[in-house]
Amino acid sequence: NAGVTQTPKFQVLKTGQSMTLQCAQDMNHEYMSWYRQDPGMGLRLIHYSVGAGITDQGEVPNGYNVSRSTTEDFPLRLLSAAPSQTSVYFCASSETGATNEKLFFGSGTQLSVL
Amino acid sequence: AQTVTQSQPEMSVQEAETVTLSCTYDTSENNYYLFWYKQPPSRQMILVIRQEAYKQQNATENRFSVNFQKAAKSFSLKISDSQLGDTAMYFCAFMRGREYGNKLVFGAGTILRVKS
Repeated sequence: NAGVTQTPKFQVLKTGQSMTLQCAQDMNHEYMSWYRQDPGMGLRLIHYSVGAGITDQGEVPNGYNVSRSTTEDFPLRLLSAAPSQTSVYFCASSETGATNEKLFFGSGTQLSVL
Repeated sequence: AQTVTQSQPEMSVQEAETVTLSCTYDTSENNYYLFWYKQPPSRQMILVIRQEAYKQQNATENRFSVNFQKAAKSFSLKISDSQLGDTAMYFCAFMRGREYGNKLVFGAGTILRVKS
């Protein structure tokens, strides 16, 4: 059971470049989300999805796009990377069952924008 | 909006001793969930313990326990018999519940160093 898989683990971009961070889960979880981690600020929610075809903004959505065409995948797109987007990005998923709110996290993507 | 505050940026403890990490939160909700996550140098996010707000009994998981004070909006983590492997960043987190998409609000984190 792979859980939540994020790729790539590391990425360096130049300002203005675009890229997609991939996230896939094999647990049939309905809920998926993206967080960014910055020193001194903990993790902050970027975008989230409660099911295929349904996405919504989190606390810091500017500069990021998401889509959810399947239950398994929830990619995060940076259309024009900026140095302020240098961060560690985490994808997470969770069930919608009545008694389990536990989030499963991927191993993170460290992104540097020069 | 909910906020989570961890007032201790860094803490250290001797191996085998007990340490308490502090967390306070602000919310107008009555039903919610609180979590402590551990992030070792590997960067992996590991769930340590969770507490449901409607439960008065404090959660425990082996050497880890919480002191949940709902009226004071306080949720501290106690680590007993500290081990070198407990060295990590610890995050306190708040969740309103599944009807809101299972979204977490995190504190800034506390770096814990266990010394031998």
